[in-house]
Amino acid sequence: DAGVIQSPRHEVTEMGQEVTLRCKPISGHDYLFWYRQTMMRGLELLIYFNNNVPIDDSGMPEDRFSAKMPNASFSTLKIQPSEPRDSAVYFCASALGRGKIIYRFFGPGTRLTVL
Amino acid sequence: AQSVTQLGSHVSVSEGALVLLRCNYSSSVPPYLFWYVQYPNQGLQLLLKYTTGATLVKGINGFEAEFKKSETSFHLTKPSAHMSDAAEYFCAVSEGSSNTGKLIFGQGTTLQVKP
Repeated sequence: DAGVIQSPRHEVTEMGQEVTLRCKPISGHDYLFWYRQTMMRGLELLIYFNNNVPIDDSGMPEDRFSAKMPNASFSTLKIQPSEPRDSAVYFCASALGRGKIIYRFFGPGTRLTVL
Repeated sequence: AQSVTQLGSHVSVSEGALVLLRCNYSSSVPPYLFWYVQYPNQGLQLLLKYTTGATLVKGINGFEAEFKKSETSFHLTKPSAHMSDAAEYFCAVSEGSSNTGKLIFGQGTTLQVKP
């Protein structure tokens, strides 16, 4: 059974460009999370979805960030325009809730470098 | 509000020695507690979790942790370190009975294993 799939694994872009990160959660999972990991701030929750609906986006840093989940098997995190301070590893995770979230399965992450 | 403190950002042990990674938490409700491991350039992998019941929980790769409510601790141990245990370890807490979806991570502890 495939785990959480993220693409691309590495992304290098120039400041001002649009960046789109993609995530395919584990089949059957009803929660999806986007995290960002930096040396300075550690692991931060950006946003999470339940049954494709955004529940809490209070961790999204700015309006430049947006996330969508058009269906149960796909989500995107978009940064437009990108800035050097957005450089980080972005993780997607999914979970099966059944009323209680027990634990998340993490994807391998996308390492984003904004020059 | 919940929080997690991992004591020691870097721990170094010799191969075969005891591994002890410290984690203290703060939570206003009974917590669910987790330890995750992150190998270089990979996502987070669940090592073990405490939700309810037995306070000593066993995980993968010979790791275990004990939930001590009186000490608000959830330290991770392994009797004998292997070279392959070298990685970064994260302690995390979520509200036990909540569907908020938020998992609060500690800053991480890098474990170095010396031959």
